[in-house]
Amino acid sequence: EDQVTQSPEALRLQEGESSSLNCSYTVSGLRGLFWYRQDPGKGPEFLFTLYSAGEEKEKERLKATLTKKESFLHITAPKPEDSATYLCAVPGGSQGNLIFGKGTKLSVKP
Amino acid sequence: DTEVTQTPKHLVMGMTNKKSLKCEQHMGHRAMYWYKQKAKKPPELMFVYSYEKLSINESVPSRFSPECPNSSLLNLHLHALQPEDSALYLCASSQDIGAGSVSYEQYFGPGTRLTVT
Repeated sequence: EDQVTQSPEALRLQEGESSSLNCSYTVSGLRGLFWYRQDPGKGPEFLFTLYSAGEEKEKERLKATLTKKESFLHITAPKPEDSATYLCAVPGGSQGNLIFGKGTKLSVKP
Repeated sequence: DTEVTQTPKHLVMGMTNKKSLKCEQHMGHRAMYWYKQKAKKPPELMFVYSYEKLSINESVPSRFSPECPNSSLLNLHLHALQPEDSALYLCASSQDIGAGSVSYEQYFGPGTRLTVT
């Protein structure tokens, strides 16, 4: 069964304290891995797509990496405005419907 | 432009009411989706439209009725809802639905916060 697991469930950081979020997946034939950011009461905002092991993508303080079993979202010198829930998803099933992890709620304190 | 718009932003309805949620995208995407999201949970897929035809219905109760009038618009008609249907309803679109080894990122709208009283 296709599955996505994110850890930790919640992460509290001080401003400037770098860290990483983990997304491990079990899927038959990876067709891409997506990272989203979601603010409370808003729709998820697309961040990155990763397709193959070894691939990396960056956007401002965020860097996403992919291995054959997991993806990391590295946050360098985070700011309070980076506080959000970060969702990881992979396409599963015959039509590639997104299978979401439960998310990591990131809080960055000034 | 990667914008998906949804109206209304908030909706309060009684259990006997009929209302509709609307979604629009102008990215030329051929796949559109409805999701339901409860607090502290990830989005849960309800319906998928591909080229204006219903492709997937994830066993959603008939009190939710989707409609795709054209390639840019997606509606969700609501009737006789229950309080447990209160949630954030999200619309999304992608270039196409995935097939074989190909997948496409989905772009989400801001959502409609629905409260059923």
